[in-house]
Amino acid sequence: QVQLQESGPGLVKPSETLSLTCTVSGGSIRTYYWSWIRQPPGKGLEWIGYIYYTGSTNYNPSLKSRATISVDTSKKQFSLKLSSVTAADTAVYYCARGAGGSFLINDHWGQGTLVTVSS
Amino acid sequence: DIQMTQSPSTLSASVGDRVSITCRASQSISSWLAWFQQKPGKAPKLLIYEASSLESGVPSRFSGSGSGTEFTLTISSLQPDDFATYYCQQYHSYPWTFGQGTKVEIK
Repeated sequence: QVQLQESGPGLVKPSETLSLTCTVSGGSIRTYYWSWIRQPPGKGLEWIGYIYYTGSTNYNPSLKSRATISVDTSKKQFSLKLSSVTAADTAVYYCARGAGGSFLINDHWGQGTLVTVSS
Repeated sequence: DIQMTQSPSTLSASVGDRVSITCRASQSISSWLAWFQQKPGKAPKLLIYEASSLESGVPSRFSGSGSGTEFTLTISSLQPDDFATYYCQQYHSYPWTFGQGTKVEIK
């Protein structure tokens, strides 16, 4: 059974860059798409973007090009960098696996990690 | 972006009740809709994909229906473990978008 685990700093200062890593275990990182999704406290879910194991990416335009997702297949990890953060970026950040053909569904999720943006 | 609107926002029900949650898309998404269950402090869990396909391991009391712009998640007999927040998500077009959630509470 595939498992995903997010890791990274829980506190980031305003204007700095948020960096998170998701480690995949129990399954292959190849042939799947890997997403980041976030949820502000008490609010709904927002898809940030995904990366294919080959390195191709797709982002939510709402992040205004602040997000960058990368993958390291040798370590079975993928990462998120979000630049110029503000308090509005405070959220639980989830990584998830996207499976399917032309239309992908996020079928496995990490437990999530809370990132607070504050000075 | 495709807007997803769920109703109701909150639903109060008792164990054994049949409950339904509606999700409407701002434009047609064919059947590319998923339903997730989320409990406090936990990650969302996939229940239904492609509008009506039950994810492996999910109890058969959960069912999904609909296509185009209107979809429904039904729980045939509410169990204590089902009190949670439910989200719909469209994966027809980018960016993927979610409904605002429906909280199912104990009556």
